Amino acid sequence: GDSVTQMEGPVTLSEEAFLTINCTYTATGYPSLFWYVQYPGEGLQLLLKATKADDKGSNKGFEATYRKETTSFHLEKGSVQVSDSAVYFCALDTLLGGATNKLIFGTGTLLAVQP
Amino acid sequence: GAVVSQHPSRVICKSGTSVKIECRSLDFQATTMFWYRQFPKQSLMLMATSNEGSKATYEQGVEKDKFLINHASLTLSTLTVTSAHPEDSSFYICSAADRAQETQYFGPGTRLLVL
Repeated sequence: GDSVTQMEGPVTLSEEAFLTINCTYTATGYPSLFWYVQYPGEGLQLLLKATKADDKGSNKGFEATYRKETTSFHLEKGSVQVSDSAVYFCALDTLLGGATNKLIFGTGTLLAVQP
Repeated sequence: GAVVSQHPSRVICKSGTSVKIECRSLDFQATTMFWYRQFPKQSLMLMATSNEGSKATYEQGVEKDKFLINHASLTLSTLTVTSAHPEDSSFYICSAADRAQETQYFGPGTRLLVL
């Protein structure tokens, strides 16, 4: 079945360091891919998304490129801040062109940014 | 972005009682809502898909008689945990599908503690 695999955390970085959180997926169709962020004590917020191969999603300095050849959607940020400390979830939706059906989530990666 | 609210944000109840959690989409109509459960330091587990005006679709292993879902309007879905037990203590999160934006928006979650 469809699945998402994320790198295990926690990831601990110093402020202004470069961030990469790896995400790979397995899907039989053409999934849309998402990154969600969960700040402590809060629900999930959509960070960025990409709906087709080679699309790049970006938001708040974060980027992720939909790589069909490597079935990956790695999250990157050039310079992290303490306020980026959160749990990041990679997810996919296998319906073509949309995100209105159930999402399959990775296990989440805790990012801790130290001043 | 779109806003989804949940009420209550926290609830403590005695074992054997029932608890109702509301999920509302505040600025869009959601024909489909989802209910997730999240255990500490783990990913979200989809419990059920709630479609307005029809019966919910439950994931394998989720007891539909214990977790009652009602989606009576395009902006409201409710999850009732019946005869709650301590093992039902968890963080319950809903999401609402905005078809126009092709995106799911998540509520802030409800933390349930059953004593």
